[in-house]
Amino acid sequence: ETGVTQTPRHLVMGMTNKKSLKCEQHLGHNAMYWYKQSAKKPLELMFVYNFKEQTENNSVPSRFSPECPNSSHLFLHLHTLQPEDSALYLCASSPTDGVFTDTQYFGPGTRLTVL
Amino acid sequence: AQKVTQAQTEISVVEKEDVTLDCVYETRDTTYYLFWYKQPPSGELVFLIRRNSFDEQNEISGRYSWNFQKSTSSFNFTITASQVVDSAVYFCALSDVMDSNYQLIWGAGTKLIIKP
Repeated sequence: ETGVTQTPRHLVMGMTNKKSLKCEQHLGHNAMYWYKQSAKKPLELMFVYNFKEQTENNSVPSRFSPECPNSSHLFLHLHTLQPEDSALYLCASSPTDGVFTDTQYFGPGTRLTVL
Repeated sequence: AQKVTQAQTEISVVEKEDVTLDCVYETRDTTYYLFWYKQPPSGELVFLIRRNSFDEQNEISGRYSWNFQKSTSSFNFTITASQVVDSAVYFCALSDVMDSNYQLIWGAGTKLIIKP
């Protein structure tokens, strides 16, 4: 595997389900990110992890819970979601510690549909 | 506050035509970075270029070229001899240290359709 991988690629869940999205980067990077991309809206940064420590949480509802066990893996745990949470969830990583000079590299995304 | 404007929501051209995607940015910082990403229908955001504010040289990479003009706060992207595979949504983004907490400021994207 190379680059940034995400699983699953598609997910349909009910509002009472609990599911997790997984992201893995094979680039040796130290920072990882979760983004939400909804139709007709700009890309929204949700969480940032530098060296496994969460450094940003952009007022994301608690029904989204991130986990970063090491610098290569990032999870997004989902529970009791709402239909408006349906979107493309993108994971990214960057080389250093998330400073503004970094280039972010993205995975293919998970297309989430909440029924 | 920082802002990135991609005024062209959608552009449609016939294959082999040249096409330019506009990007205008706002920042109070003197040190910043600009990026272009491509998002094909598969969904993955593909990094195309990063340019820092001190390097105003234009860049060419195959059929792709970028024109950075600090005087007009623009970082435009031109595809020469477009191909159907260039069809995608293209995003311009800005990163600076002032007020941003090291976050990327994204434009709304331009959907490019290349017709055969």
